[in-house]
Amino acid sequence: DAKTTQPPSMDCAEGRAANLPCNHSTISGNEYVYWYRQIHSQGPQYIIHGLKNNETNEMASLIITEDRKSSTLILPHATLRDTAVYYCIVRVMNTGKLIFGQGTTLQVKP
Amino acid sequence: EAQVTQNPRYLITVTGKKLTVTCSQNMNHEYMSWYRQDPGLGLRQIYYSMNVEVTDKGDVPEGYKVSRKEKRNFPLILESPSPNQTSLYFCASIPTGTGGYNEQFFGPGTRLTVL
Repeated sequence: DAKTTQPPSMDCAEGRAANLPCNHSTISGNEYVYWYRQIHSQGPQYIIHGLKNNETNEMASLIITEDRKSSTLILPHATLRDTAVYYCIVRVMNTGKLIFGQGTTLQVKP
Repeated sequence: EAQVTQNPRYLITVTGKKLTVTCSQNMNHEYMSWYRQDPGLGLRQIYYSMNVEVTDKGDVPEGYKVSRKEKRNFPLILESPSPNQTSLYFCASIPTGTGGYNEQFFGPGTRLTVL
């Protein structure tokens, strides 16, 4: 399974876009990129996932580079409630296993 | 409401006293899994189950047992707990029938302390 690298922490001003980068240079063709977040010690919450095309849902957008070696999660208008640890994960198709790294602690400030 | 439930949410016990943490999901998911989360180590998979009566080891299975007698339940058993099993535990489930690409639902967590 491919590993991911994320910055340990980031700050963002409330109302601005939060752009969280992730490096997954060893990703294989059958591995998806997933993003989860964890608020305090609650169960991780799914945000979005993609294979090679950019994806958008009601929570966020996912931009995957053409070579698939990196991606960016975009929270378009960050709020204080978006303060959390964000995990970028790669997952092989048809398996349930997620390998969590250390994640990025996003602090949204007023 | 679609959810994964865990019980108990908090547990303090002593070394060697067998315990079971229950996990139940109401979404008819085939795949279920247990993770533990420790400071500085992130979430690590303990055991997983692809379907009823099918279980397999994750990355840190030592000291744990699981069973999957019915689709909705996936209990985690600690036969002889030790202090190094003090951790925050999460159960998760995912539907694999649609290709396994979907989100994984996590339970609220069980904070276990072994004295």
